[in-house]
Amino acid sequence: DSGVTQTPKHLITATGQRVTLRCSPRSGDLSVYWYQQSLDQGLQFLIQYYNGEERAKGNILERFSAQQFPDLHSELNLSSLELGDSALYFCASSVGTSGEPYEQYFGPGTRLTVT
Amino acid sequence: GIQVEQSPPDLILQEGANSTLRCNFSDSVNNLQWFHQNPWGQLINLFYIPSGTKQNGRLSATTVATERYSLLYISSSQTTDSGVYFCAVRFSGGYNKLIFGAGTRLAVHP
Repeated sequence: DSGVTQTPKHLITATGQRVTLRCSPRSGDLSVYWYQQSLDQGLQFLIQYYNGEERAKGNILERFSAQQFPDLHSELNLSSLELGDSALYFCASSVGTSGEPYEQYFGPGTRLTVT
Repeated sequence: GIQVEQSPPDLILQEGANSTLRCNFSDSVNNLQWFHQNPWGQLINLFYIPSGTKQNGRLSATTVATERYSLLYISSSQTTDSGVYFCAVRFSGGYNKLIFGAGTRLAVHP
């Protein structure tokens, strides 16, 4: 158990809908990262937050957004869902400042299926 | 562009065999992690090894940062070692994001 929690474990929804994925980092970790794992793209970085502020953005679609709350949990919002958004979404966390290469620990993931 | 390449892509072993997985990266890194993704999809941290050598039970890893590669050794493999092994790096001077290789899919048969 990495100490990173994600809910829900599974999510099945229809095209055009909106969903919210939730992540709680390890106790003491200030940075939260979101990654997407799809069959065709592999594991890709989406976005990073550090202590409530966005710090880095990767290949995140405009239909997707995230935020980190004062209690450090984070939410990833996916809207206008398409079939191609079906994937495993991971949250990771690390301790320390956003500029340092600390080890990242991954949650169990949320498997999203868009039908 | 920036690349992380893993080899071999697939590996089939008999229980008890040893194996070496390789990760090559195209630029200098300040973070390198090895993960095991089990059949349930969980990503399990194996090593945080931007340089040097580490050992944990039957697994060990070596990163030679100056030559831009890392090796993961699995000895006396067990069926529970099956899954996909990922190497992920953070390139020096880049954002604190991990760039993953495509993985090595390992199947260990009894």
